[in-house]
Amino acid sequence: DGGITQSPKYLFRKEGQNVTLSCEQNLNHDAMYWYRQDPGQGLRLIYYSQIVNDFQKGDIAEGYSVSREKKESFPLTVTSAQKNPTAFYLCASSIGPETDTQYFGPGTRLTVL
Amino acid sequence: EDKVVQSPLSLVVHEGDTVTLNCSYEVTNFRSLLWYKQEKKAPTFLFMLTSSGIEKKSGRLSSILDKKELFSILNITATQTGDSAVYLCAVDGIGNEKLTFGTGTRLTIIP
Repeated sequence: DGGITQSPKYLFRKEGQNVTLSCEQNLNHDAMYWYRQDPGQGLRLIYYSQIVNDFQKGDIAEGYSVSREKKESFPLTVTSAQKNPTAFYLCASSIGPETDTQYFGPGTRLTVL
Repeated sequence: EDKVVQSPLSLVVHEGDTVTLNCSYEVTNFRSLLWYKQEKKAPTFLFMLTSSGIEKKSGRLSSILDKKELFSILNITATQTGDSAVYLCAVDGIGNEKLTFGTGTRLTIIP
């Protein structure tokens, strides 16, 4: 089945640790995105990538890093520099960089203890 | 900076009622407006409205776009408990590589 997968579903981290969230898609989409969702704040864009080996900062990139070594994969690292990392993280993809409709993965809920 | 404001923030109605959700926006060089439904996890796509398609309908859901007044509404008739969700509105501008989302409207349908 085609789609977007994210893992893990739930992630717990101690303060000061880096963690990496996985996002994989087999839709052959060029563009991929990472969003953070907090209660009452909608979706905020962290990073996005239009093509392999290229990515741009979104609105709240500080404390996060990404890589796009393969078309199918766009992992997000939450570093210890991120002051308030507890949130729900959603990955999305679209056919091309300027194609409107984005399709979302199931999300990862990160909790910092 | 692009901006999307949704109202109300939350809405509770009885099954069978009709609801209208609002989305107003500011975007440079408007290209499209999208509606998503988010139940527990991932948002799922509902509609995309553009200059050439300002009205969409699918079953009990319909949406219109007013490009002059810069808003869209999502209408749900004969609501069911399965319609309970957060409804997200997003806009895209020509030349943008990203969507701007609103905070969402949380809709709760009481049996």
